[in-house]
Amino acid sequence: NAGVMQNPRHLVRRRGQEARLRCSPMKGHSHVYWYRQLPEEGLKFMVYLQKENIIDESGMPKERFSAEFPKEGPSILRIQQVVRGDSAAYFCASSPGSGERETQYFGPGTRLLVL
Amino acid sequence: AQSVAQPEDQVNVAEGNPLTVKCTYSVSGNPYLFWYVQYPNRGLQFLLKYITGDNLVKGSYGFEAEFNKSQTSFHLKKPSALVSDSALYFCAVRGGGGYNKLIFGAGTRLAVHP
Repeated sequence: NAGVMQNPRHLVRRRGQEARLRCSPMKGHSHVYWYRQLPEEGLKFMVYLQKENIIDESGMPKERFSAEFPKEGPSILRIQQVVRGDSAAYFCASSPGSGERETQYFGPGTRLLVL
Repeated sequence: AQSVAQPEDQVNVAEGNPLTVKCTYSVSGNPYLFWYVQYPNRGLQFLLKYITGDNLVKGSYGFEAEFNKSQTSFHLKKPSALVSDSALYFCAVRGGGGYNKLIFGAGTRLAVHP
Protein backbone atom coordinates (compact mmCIF):
# COMPACT_ATOMS: atom_id res chain seq x y z
CA ASN A 1 0.00 0.00 0.00
CA ALA A 2 2.06 2.89 -1.31
CA GLY A 3 2.07 6.07 0.69
CA VAL A 4 2.15 9.63 -0.58
CA MET A 5 4.83 9.98 -3.21
CA GLN A 6 6.70 13.14 -4.07
CA ASN A 7 9.29 13.82 -6.71
CA PRO A 8 11.89 14.91 -7.07
CA ARG A 9 13.21 14.45 -3.54
CA HIS A 10 15.84 17.10 -4.11
CA LEU A 11 15.75 19.95 -6.61
CA VAL A 12 18.38 22.57 -7.30
CA ARG A 13 17.48 25.66 -9.30
CA ARG A 14 19.20 28.92 -10.10
CA ARG A 15 17.48 32.20 -9.42
CA GLY A 16 14.91 32.97 -12.09
CA GLN A 17 14.28 29.37 -13.12
CA GLU A 18 11.05 27.45 -12.63
CA ALA A 19 10.52 24.67 -10.11
CA ARG A 20 7.88 21.95 -10.54
CA LEU A 21 7.12 19.71 -7.60
CA ARG A 22 4.92 16.64 -8.00
CA CYS A 23 2.75 14.80 -5.53
CA SER A 24 0.86 11.54 -5.99
CA PRO A 25 -1.61 10.99 -3.15
CA MET A 26 -2.24 7.69 -1.45
CA LYS A 27 -4.49 5.31 -3.34
CA GLY A 28 -8.10 6.25 -2.77
CA HIS A 29 -7.29 9.77 -1.58
CA SER A 30 -8.71 12.67 -3.55
CA HIS A 31 -7.70 15.52 -1.25
CA VAL A 32 -4.22 17.03 -1.44
CA TYR A 33 -2.52 19.64 0.73
CA TRP A 34 0.78 21.43 0.24
CA TYR A 35 2.89 22.74 3.12
CA ARG A 36 6.24 24.53 3.25
CA GLN A 37 8.86 24.09 5.93
CA LEU A 38 11.57 26.69 6.20
CA PRO A 39 14.81 25.69 7.97
CA GLU A 40 14.31 25.19 11.70
CA GLU A 41 10.61 26.08 11.49
CA GLY A 42 7.29 24.29 11.56
CA LEU A 43 5.15 23.57 8.56
CA LYS A 44 3.04 26.32 7.04
CA PHE A 45 -0.07 25.56 5.02
CA MET A 46 -0.03 26.68 1.41
CA VAL A 47 -2.95 25.21 -0.53
CA TYR A 48 -5.68 22.58 -0.40
CA LEU A 49 -6.96 20.94 -3.58
CA GLN A 50 -9.43 18.34 -4.67
CA LYS A 51 -9.48 16.86 -8.14
CA GLU A 52 -9.58 19.79 -10.60
CA ASN A 53 -10.48 22.28 -7.85
CA ILE A 54 -8.57 24.61 -5.56
CA ILE A 55 -10.47 24.68 -2.28
CA ASP A 56 -8.28 26.88 -0.08
CA GLU A 57 -5.24 28.81 -1.26
CA SER A 58 -5.02 31.17 1.68
CA GLY A 59 -1.39 30.24 2.36
CA MET A 60 -0.09 30.67 -1.16
CA PRO A 61 2.10 33.66 -1.96
CA LYS A 62 0.24 36.00 -4.30
CA GLU A 63 2.83 35.86 -7.05
CA ARG A 64 4.93 33.18 -8.74
CA PHE A 65 3.27 30.23 -6.99
CA SER A 66 0.50 28.08 -8.44
CA ALA A 67 -0.93 24.63 -7.83
CA GLU A 68 -3.10 22.20 -9.68
CA PHE A 69 -4.55 18.74 -9.24
CA PRO A 70 -5.78 17.54 -12.62
CA LYS A 71 -8.30 14.82 -13.23
CA GLU A 72 -5.50 12.51 -14.27
CA GLY A 73 -1.99 12.57 -12.86
CA PRO A 74 -0.26 14.04 -9.85
CA SER A 75 -0.76 17.34 -8.14
CA ILE A 76 1.79 19.96 -9.21
CA LEU A 77 3.16 22.86 -7.21
CA ARG A 78 4.81 25.31 -9.57
CA ILE A 79 7.14 28.11 -8.58
CA GLN A 80 8.09 30.54 -11.30
CA GLN A 81 11.20 32.73 -11.26
CA VAL A 82 12.52 31.22 -8.04
CA VAL A 83 14.39 33.33 -5.53
CA ARG A 84 16.70 32.26 -2.72
CA GLY A 85 13.93 32.72 -0.18
CA ASP A 86 12.02 29.89 -1.85
CA SER A 87 14.62 27.42 -0.58
CA ALA A 88 12.69 25.13 1.74
CA ALA A 89 11.21 21.66 2.10
CA TYR A 90 7.84 21.32 0.44
CA PHE A 91 5.56 18.61 1.75
CA CYS A 92 2.44 17.18 0.26
CA ALA A 93 -0.22 15.42 2.29
CA SER A 94 -3.36 13.58 1.29
CA SER A 95 -6.56 12.43 2.94
CA PRO A 96 -9.44 10.25 1.80
CA GLY A 97 -12.14 12.77 2.63
CA SER A 98 -12.80 16.34 3.58
CA GLY A 99 -14.12 15.90 7.10
CA GLU A 100 -12.46 17.55 10.06
CA ARG A 101 -11.73 14.15 11.56
CA GLU A 102 -9.68 12.98 8.61
CA THR A 103 -5.99 12.33 9.06
CA GLN A 104 -3.54 13.85 6.61
CA TYR A 105 -0.72 11.55 5.55
CA PHE A 106 2.50 13.18 4.44
CA GLY A 107 4.96 12.43 1.70
CA PRO A 108 8.75 12.51 2.12
CA GLY A 109 8.98 16.06 0.81
CA THR A 110 10.91 17.86 -1.91
CA ARG A 111 13.88 19.87 -0.75
CA LEU A 112 14.33 22.86 -3.00
CA LEU A 113 17.62 24.72 -3.05
CA VAL A 114 17.85 27.95 -5.00
CA LEU A 115 21.37 29.05 -5.86
CA ALA B 1 -8.10 32.00 15.02
CA GLN B 2 -6.74 28.55 15.69
CA SER B 3 -3.23 28.29 17.07
CA VAL B 4 -0.86 25.83 18.68
CA ALA B 5 2.07 26.44 21.00
CA GLN B 6 4.91 24.11 21.83
CA PRO B 7 6.68 25.88 24.67
CA GLU B 8 9.87 23.80 24.62
CA ASP B 9 12.36 23.92 21.76
CA GLN B 10 14.10 20.83 23.07
CA VAL B 11 13.42 18.09 25.59
CA ASN B 12 16.20 15.88 26.93
CA VAL B 13 15.39 12.52 28.48
CA ALA B 14 17.42 9.53 29.58
CA GLU B 15 16.60 6.23 27.94
CA GLY B 16 14.05 4.29 29.96
CA ASN B 17 12.61 7.38 31.63
CA PRO B 18 9.13 8.72 30.87
CA LEU B 19 8.89 11.58 28.42
CA THR B 20 6.45 14.42 27.94
CA VAL B 21 6.31 16.84 25.02
CA LYS B 22 4.01 19.76 25.71
CA CYS B 23 1.39 21.33 23.48
CA THR B 24 -1.27 23.93 24.19
CA TYR B 25 -3.93 25.07 21.77
CA SER B 26 -6.43 27.81 21.10
CA VAL B 27 -9.50 27.05 19.02
CA SER B 28 -12.98 28.29 18.42
CA GLY B 29 -15.27 25.32 18.35
CA ASN B 30 -14.36 21.68 18.78
CA PRO B 31 -10.63 20.94 18.90
CA TYR B 32 -9.22 18.39 16.48
CA LEU B 33 -5.64 17.79 17.55
CA PHE B 34 -2.80 15.80 16.01
CA TRP B 35 0.76 14.73 16.78
CA TYR B 36 3.32 14.01 14.08
CA VAL B 37 6.98 12.99 14.26
CA GLN B 38 9.70 13.95 11.79
CA TYR B 39 13.00 12.11 11.48
CA PRO B 40 15.95 13.86 9.77
CA ASN B 41 15.36 14.51 6.07
CA ARG B 42 12.08 12.63 6.17
CA GLY B 43 8.41 13.51 5.95
CA LEU B 44 6.01 13.66 8.86
CA GLN B 45 4.66 10.46 10.31
CA PHE B 46 1.26 10.47 11.96
CA LEU B 47 1.33 9.40 15.62
CA LEU B 48 -2.16 10.00 16.99
CA LYS B 49 -5.14 12.33 17.03
CA TYR B 50 -7.87 13.55 19.35
CA ILE B 51 -11.30 13.97 17.84
CA THR B 52 -13.71 13.20 20.64
CA GLY B 53 -14.22 10.68 23.42
CA ASP B 54 -11.60 9.49 25.87
CA ASN B 55 -9.15 12.12 26.98
CA LEU B 56 -6.26 9.64 26.79
CA VAL B 57 -5.46 8.80 23.19
CA LYS B 58 -3.15 5.94 22.31
CA GLY B 59 -1.06 6.03 19.16
CA SER B 60 1.84 4.47 17.32
CA TYR B 61 5.16 3.32 18.80
CA GLY B 62 3.87 3.34 22.38
CA PHE B 63 3.02 7.04 22.40
CA GLU B 64 -0.10 8.48 23.97
CA ALA B 65 -1.49 11.94 24.51
CA GLU B 66 -3.70 13.44 27.14
CA PHE B 67 -6.36 15.93 26.14
CA ASN B 68 -7.17 18.44 28.87
CA LYS B 69 -9.95 20.81 27.95
CA SER B 70 -9.70 23.04 31.02
CA GLN B 71 -5.97 23.59 30.46
CA THR B 72 -6.31 23.58 26.66
CA SER B 73 -3.43 21.15 26.46
CA PHE B 74 -2.64 18.03 24.47
CA HIS B 75 0.68 16.74 25.82
CA LEU B 76 2.43 13.80 24.19
CA LYS B 77 3.72 11.10 26.53
CA LYS B 78 5.54 7.82 26.57
CA PRO B 79 6.20 5.73 29.69
CA SER B 80 9.71 4.61 28.71
CA ALA B 81 11.78 6.52 26.16
CA LEU B 82 13.99 4.87 23.55
CA VAL B 83 17.06 6.36 21.88
CA SER B 84 15.25 5.78 18.58
CA ASP B 85 12.50 8.18 19.71
CA SER B 86 14.92 11.06 19.18
CA ALA B 87 13.29 13.22 16.51
CA LEU B 88 11.32 16.42 15.92
CA TYR B 89 7.73 16.35 17.19
CA PHE B 90 4.94 18.56 15.92
CA CYS B 91 1.58 19.26 17.44
CA ALA B 92 -1.14 20.46 15.06
CA VAL B 93 -4.72 21.64 15.17
CA ARG B 94 -7.31 21.61 12.45
CA GLY B 95 -7.68 25.05 10.89
CA GLY B 96 -11.38 25.49 11.42
CA GLY B 97 -13.66 27.78 9.49
CA GLY B 98 -14.78 24.89 7.35
CA TYR B 99 -11.33 24.29 5.94
CA ASN B 100 -9.10 21.32 6.47
CA LYS B 101 -5.66 22.84 6.75
CA LEU B 102 -3.50 21.93 9.71
CA ILE B 103 -1.88 24.60 11.82
CA PHE B 104 1.41 23.38 13.26
CA GLY B 105 3.39 24.32 16.29
CA ALA B 106 7.05 25.21 15.87
CA GLY B 107 8.13 21.74 16.87
CA THR B 108 10.00 20.23 19.83
CA ARG B 109 13.25 18.37 19.38
CA LEU B 110 13.37 15.28 21.58
CA ALA B 111 16.79 13.93 22.48
CA VAL B 112 16.91 10.60 24.29
CA HIS B 113 20.32 9.83 25.78
CA PRO B 114 21.59 6.31 26.43
